Amino acid sequence: AQSVTQPDIHITVSEGASLELRCNYSYGATPYLFWYVQSPGQGLQLLLKYFSGDTLVQGIKGFEAEFKRSQSSFNLRKPSVHWSDAAEYFCAYILTGGGNKLTFGTGTQLKVEL
Amino acid sequence: DGGITQSPKYLFRKEGQNVTLSCEQNLNHDAMYWYRQDPGQGLRLIYYSQIVNDFQKGDIAEGYSVSREKKESFPLTVTSAQKNPTAFYLCATGQRGLSNQPQHFGDGTRLSIL
Repeated sequence: AQSVTQPDIHITVSEGASLELRCNYSYGATPYLFWYVQSPGQGLQLLLKYFSGDTLVQGIKGFEAEFKRSQSSFNLRKPSVHWSDAAEYFCAYILTGGGNKLTFGTGTQLKVEL
Repeated sequence: DGGITQSPKYLFRKEGQNVTLSCEQNLNHDAMYWYRQDPGQGLRLIYYSQIVNDFQKGDIAEGYSVSREKKESFPLTVTSAQKNPTAFYLCATGQRGLSNQPQHFGDGTRLSIL
């Protein structure tokens, strides 16, 4: 069955340090991949998306992600984390056809230490 | 997202009671979705609708019902058959038939049992 896995439930980094959040997918063909961020009690905001082409994708708020087909990964990165980046991050993908349905990972909670 | 309005923000349900969560959008999107979010489980799809007067079950539809009488509105009813309704409910919209179109999310409704 198709799925997306976020192996890290919680991550703590110091402000100014670099960040990498992991996402692995299990799908035969290349899916459409997304990263979302959720602040407490809020909806989800799209950070970036990958459909095809250049495997390094730039998003909002200084985030980027790299699609690696050989590793079935789509990890999210940021070179220098700000305290306001503390939130929950979700990796997701869309199955082609049949309703544009997003399938989500279980999320990674990011804590930023000042 | 300013284009999607979910109400109320907080809702309490008594035993044996049905409650309805509202979702209204002014994005002119064809497709609308309801997700349930529980801690540590990411988001799971309850129902979705790609066009007015049509909707399909998602992964966890039991105990829920929806209607799509207008393009702008997709209310979700949590029935008494849903034995564990306490969760955060998110409504989303998207373009029908375009697998690469990411979904936009409302700010959610938090449902609790009295």
